[in-house]
Amino acid sequence: NAGVTQTPKFQVLKTGQSMTLQCAQDMNHEYMSWYRQDPGMGLRLIHYSVGAGITDQGEVPNGYNVSRSTTEDFPLRLLSAAPSQTSVYFCASSYSREGLNNSPLHFGNGTRLTVT
Amino acid sequence: ELKVEQNPLFLSMQEGKNYTIYCNYSTTSDRLYWYRQDPGKSLESLFVLLSNGAVKQEGRLMASLDTKARLSTLHITAAVHDLSATYFCAVITSGTYKYIFGTGTRLKVLA
Repeated sequence: NAGVTQTPKFQVLKTGQSMTLQCAQDMNHEYMSWYRQDPGMGLRLIHYSVGAGITDQGEVPNGYNVSRSTTEDFPLRLLSAAPSQTSVYFCASSYSREGLNNSPLHFGNGTRLTVT
Repeated sequence: ELKVEQNPLFLSMQEGKNYTIYCNYSTTSDRLYWYRQDPGKSLESLFVLLSNGAVKQEGRLMASLDTKARLSTLHITAAVHDLSATYFCAVITSGTYKYIFGTGTRLKVLA
């Protein structure tokens, strides 16, 4: 059971480049989400999804796009990378259906992104 | 807008001592979570607190929730070096699926 898998682990981009951070889970979780972690700021929610075809914005959505075409996958797209997007990105998932919606988040191992 | 504050931000303590980390949040919430993060690693779940007065314990860690005061505490009893990590609380805005995290408390337990 792999849990939540994020790829790549590390990435360096130049300003203006685009890329997609991949996130996949094999636990049949309805809820998936993306966070960025910056020193002294905890984790900030970028986007989240409560099921295939449904996405919503979090605290810091600007500069990022998401889609949820399947239950398993929730990719995060940076359309035009900026140095301010240098961060560690975490994907997390959990159950959200009735009776299981108190379960904690399961996190991936993170992607460390540097934008120069 | 839901805001979550933790204090202290940094905590250096001697082995064997007790201490408490505080998590305050600004609006009504259904659930509160505590997570642990080791340096360079991902986050792992410690506790899920669902109702007023909820108390959960695991080893030397005990978490409690007071929804009226909008306050959760994480109490460390007789700290050991292995507890050195960053601890986060997270709260869900009522009626949404927006998890909002506190800034974290970096705990260092000195031998």
